[in-house]
Amino acid sequence: AQSVAQPEDQVNVAEGNPLTVKCTYSVSGNPYLFWYVQYPNRGLQFLLKYITGDNLVKGSYGFEAEFNKSQTSFHLKKPSALVSDSALYFCAVRRPMDSSYKLIFGSGTRLLVRP
Amino acid sequence: KAGVTQTPRYLIKTRGQQVTLSCSPISGHRSVSWYQQTPGQGLQFLFEYFSETQRNKGNFPGRFSGRQFSNSRSEMNVSTLELGDSALYLCASSPSTSGNLNEQFFGPGTRLTVL
Repeated sequence: AQSVAQPEDQVNVAEGNPLTVKCTYSVSGNPYLFWYVQYPNRGLQFLLKYITGDNLVKGSYGFEAEFNKSQTSFHLKKPSALVSDSALYFCAVRRPMDSSYKLIFGSGTRLLVRP
Repeated sequence: KAGVTQTPRYLIKTRGQQVTLSCSPISGHRSVSWYQQTPGQGLQFLFEYFSETQRNKGNFPGRFSGRQFSNSRSEMNVSTLELGDSALYLCASSPSTSGNLNEQFFGPGTRLTVL
């Protein structure tokens, strides 16, 4: 069965410091991996995805993520956090062999960036 | 291009009633998926429609149903509402290219409260 784990319910970081939001997955084959962000009372906004190729993926708003196949991880990172980055972050996975756009989401990690 | 739109944004119903939610995808997108978001269960996939056909279905009871029209607009229906159906219902659309590597674009959601 497919699953995505986000081991931290909340991550706290000071503005200007680097941030990491962790994600591990359990999917057969080589999955597609995604990060989304959700602001209060809003839908999900796409940040970045890994399909194939370079393990370091760059996305919107200065975020990047590193795919590690041996550790089955896809951690989200940003070199310098902003207060405006405070939001709920979701990691998601999709199996390429599925003829569907269905996403399996992790439980979400709340990022709090303090001034 | 206009984003994914969902109507209504907020809805209050009582137990036993039924409800219909509407989603208009981004112009040109033929895949529409629905997700349920609750504090306890997180983001869960309900179903996906592509070219008016249900392509994938999540693990929800038969009270949850959907359909897609020829213009790609989609509706989901929940009959015999239960308190546990209170949730944010998110619609997402994807462009129609070969394979399923595209990200999904989410609407703002419909907040359903069942009393």
